[in-house]
Amino acid sequence: GQQVMQIPQYQHVQEGEDFTTYCNSSTTLSNIQWYKQRPGGHPVFLIQLVKSGEVKKQKRLTFQFGEAKKNSSLHITATQTTDVGTYFCASETSGSRLTFGEGTQLTVNP
Amino acid sequence: GAVVSQHPSWVICKSGTSVKIECRSLDFQATTMFWYRQFPKQSLMLMATSNEGSKATYEQGVEKDKFLINHASLTLSTLTVTSAHPEDSSFYICSASWTGDLGGNQPQHFGDGTRLSIL
Repeated sequence: GQQVMQIPQYQHVQEGEDFTTYCNSSTTLSNIQWYKQRPGGHPVFLIQLVKSGEVKKQKRLTFQFGEAKKNSSLHITATQTTDVGTYFCASETSGSRLTFGEGTQLTVNP
Repeated sequence: GAVVSQHPSWVICKSGTSVKIECRSLDFQATTMFWYRQFPKQSLMLMATSNEGSKATYEQGVEKDKFLINHASLTLSTLTVTSAHPEDSSFYICSASWTGDLGGNQPQHFGDGTRLSIL
């Protein structure tokens, strides 16, 4: 089945540093979704990218979808302690089923 | 909007007990509900897809007789873990989505999850 590989698994940064997580697939994706899960919490939908080469911004977060629709990235500028959590990408397959990447756990040192 | 309520949030019970988890969409009608399991430090693994009024579709490797899913209405789906054992201890999360006005499915909205501990 369709798999989405996500790296890195863990990222520790100092507050104010930037952070990026990457997702890659060997097959073309119909879309890519990004979720954030705080420690002890549930995944919260951040954004969905559909178009080839699409770039979307949410304040300090920048989401990109590759031209070939096989990779995506989430970049956070000037991290804050509130950014702590695990960020998951997910690809949608038949029947709206989601396949999640392994997630990148972000810790931010104040 | 798009609130999904999951109950209970915590369950601790003895081995052999059956546990029912409810997932409700509070302010929308969920065409489809999904059930996931998440072990510590791991990603979410889809267990099954549930459509209102029809049988759930289980992912490969998930025992349908072990994890009973009922989706009796557009706002309620239940997952029953039958004869639970310690290896079933996990974080179970439901999500719900609906078909948008243009026919496309909307992003999934997740419940708060249920932490199941089997002693």
